[in-house]
Order: sequence, then C-alpha cells, then structure tokens
Amino acid sequence: QKEVEQDPGPLSVPEGAIVSLNCTYSNSAFQYFMWYRQYSRKGPELLMYTYSSGNKEDGRFTAQVDKSSKYISLFIRDSQPSDSATYLCAMRGSARQLTFGSGTQLTVLP
Amino acid sequence: DVKVTQSSRYLVKRTGEKVFLECVQDMDHENMFWYRQDPGLGLRLIYFSYDVKMKEKGDIPEGYSVSREKKERFSLILESASTNQTSMYLCASSLKPTGDEQYFGPGTRLTVT
Repeated sequence: QKEVEQDPGPLSVPEGAIVSLNCTYSNSAFQYFMWYRQYSRKGPELLMYTYSSGNKEDGRFTAQVDKSSKYISLFIRDSQPSDSATYLCAMRGSARQLTFGSGTQLTVLP
Repeated sequence: DVKVTQSSRYLVKRTGEKVFLECVQDMDHENMFWYRQDPGLGLRLIYFSYDVKMKEKGDIPEGYSVSREKKERFSLILESASTNQTSMYLCASSLKPTGDEQYFGPGTRLTVT
C-alpha cells in the first residue's frame, strides 16, 4: 500500500465550478502538507503549504488538513480554464524528504 | 524568481550508455533533489544533496549516482542506462533545510532504447 493515495482522475468540470482534490495518507508522522500544480510539459510549482491540521486560504484556493482522518484536501473556487493541470499533494514528517501523491489531472472546460 | 534549469528537455540514449543529466539553480539554495516521475507512481526521490559534495540516497537510488561539486549544480548519472530508466527526470532545489518549498526545473524526458 502506498503511503500517500491520490485519485488520478481525470477530473473534468465546467468553468466556475468548485473543485475538490483529495489525498489520504497512512503515516501518522506526517506534519507538513503541500500542494503542487504541474502544467503539461512543465515542472511542478508550489501552490499551498500547511502545517498540521486546519485550513489555509490563498485567493481562490483553500487547503484543508484533517490529521485525525489522515486526509487532506485542496478546494478551488470559481475554477478557470487556466487551472487545468495536474495537482500533486506532498507531505513529510521529521525527515527531509517529501512523499508525493501520484497526482490528479484536472480539466476546467470553458 | 528562482530558476532551475535542466540541460536537456528530451534525450534518447541506447541501453548500456552512460548518461549525464545536469541541473543548475541560480538562487544559492543549499538543498537539491533528483526525482523521476512515472504515470501512476508520482514523483519518486532518487538522490538529494544538502551541501556541496554531500549526497543522500532517496527511495530509488539503484542504477543512479550523483555529483555535486558546486553549490549551484547537481548532476544525475546513469552509469549504464537500461530501458526501465525511461522516464521524466525532475530536478528541484530548496532554500529550507527541511526540503520544503521546492522549486522544480522543467524536466528531462529520457528514452532509453
């Protein structure tokens, strides 16, 4: 079983929809949680960074962490075609290295 | 803006060849990483380095080695390329000693025939 599970999609939504992307994990030592966005033929770029449980908001993006359920989410409000990308969750405990999910491919249709 | 560049976007090599993938970052970051990305498997860490001449194995180091002679440059070496090393290779750097907030290069698509 993978340490981090992420539904690969593909997920297709109409423009303006609220998008929910999720990851589950098995390692209770994970404390730092990140979301990366990867456009086609590009490297990933950091979108959100959170520590421990709770919510963090940045514009149209909200990251949510529920450590008791070992579940993290990224919500995108008022989704735009420019949000079409693959979204990767990443997390770590005390070690220096990140563990990534396999990514969810999102398409926002105009 | 942090910039991480990789020497090639696409590379085709034959089985048994020695392959060098170069990565350069321009932000004086201490920490650098090499990943490979495969469909359904996500990013898997091959090696990382937190200082010049220092290296640590990641999750899948077999068949690879690395070199970091200068702070800004981190090289991945495939000693004898095999077809199962066909993949997208991504380099990243991070200022934070924890390795968080990594900045990625555009990737090198390597095909081994």
